[in-house]
Amino acid sequence: DTGVSQNPRHKITKRGQNVTFRCDPISEHNRLYWYRQTLGQGPEFLTYFQNEAQLEKSRLLSDRFSAERPKGSFSTLEIQRTEQGDSAMYLCASSLVSGGQGAYEQYFGPGTRLTVT
Amino acid sequence: SQQGEEDPQALSIQEGENATMNCSYKTSINNLQWYRQNSGRGLVHLILIRSNEREKHSGRLRVTLDTSKKSSSLLITASRAADTASYFCATDAWEYGNKLVFGAGTILRVKS
Repeated sequence: DTGVSQNPRHKITKRGQNVTFRCDPISEHNRLYWYRQTLGQGPEFLTYFQNEAQLEKSRLLSDRFSAERPKGSFSTLEIQRTEQGDSAMYLCASSLVSGGQGAYEQYFGPGTRLTVT
Repeated sequence: SQQGEEDPQALSIQEGENATMNCSYKTSINNLQWYRQNSGRGLVHLILIRSNEREKHSGRLRVTLDTSKKSSSLLITASRAADTASYFCATDAWEYGNKLVFGAGTILRVKS
């Protein structure tokens, strides 16, 4: 399967703990996005990378959230000192961009469902 | 607030019927995309329509775009039980940079 993969698929953690999620994009894709989705809502943009550079972060992304994409391949999203409000589905998507401007068709992974107790 | 708003929030039809979902947005766009999400398979890209296009087809899907009204519609013809899912419109707009802004979605249930 050459699609976008995410690990783990489910994570249950206690409030105050740190968690890290991983996303492996489609190998030739140069852009990688992170979204958060809560029940009954569409995905909300968190951040994106073009190759290894993190080019934009949403105001939703507090200081407790950090994302990396070393060497422009896989990406990790870490949440420190989790809160119950962090409970959501975290989605990763990748796309192949030429020209640099605009958003393109995005390929999504299955998501990581985080539950903070 | 989200850029796109889908209407209706939920839709229930019989297999074989057509389903129409609408999306309204607020700012000028580069393109508008429709995605499907069902519980087992995550979000799947269905179709992209550029701001200079008015209609696009893909299989049983027909998308229209009216930039003067800032609205789009997704028509699924001859629906199947497997079309049961949530459908989201997502806009790509200069104002929002290089990202998509999603609406809250329409939940479609196709009864067999």
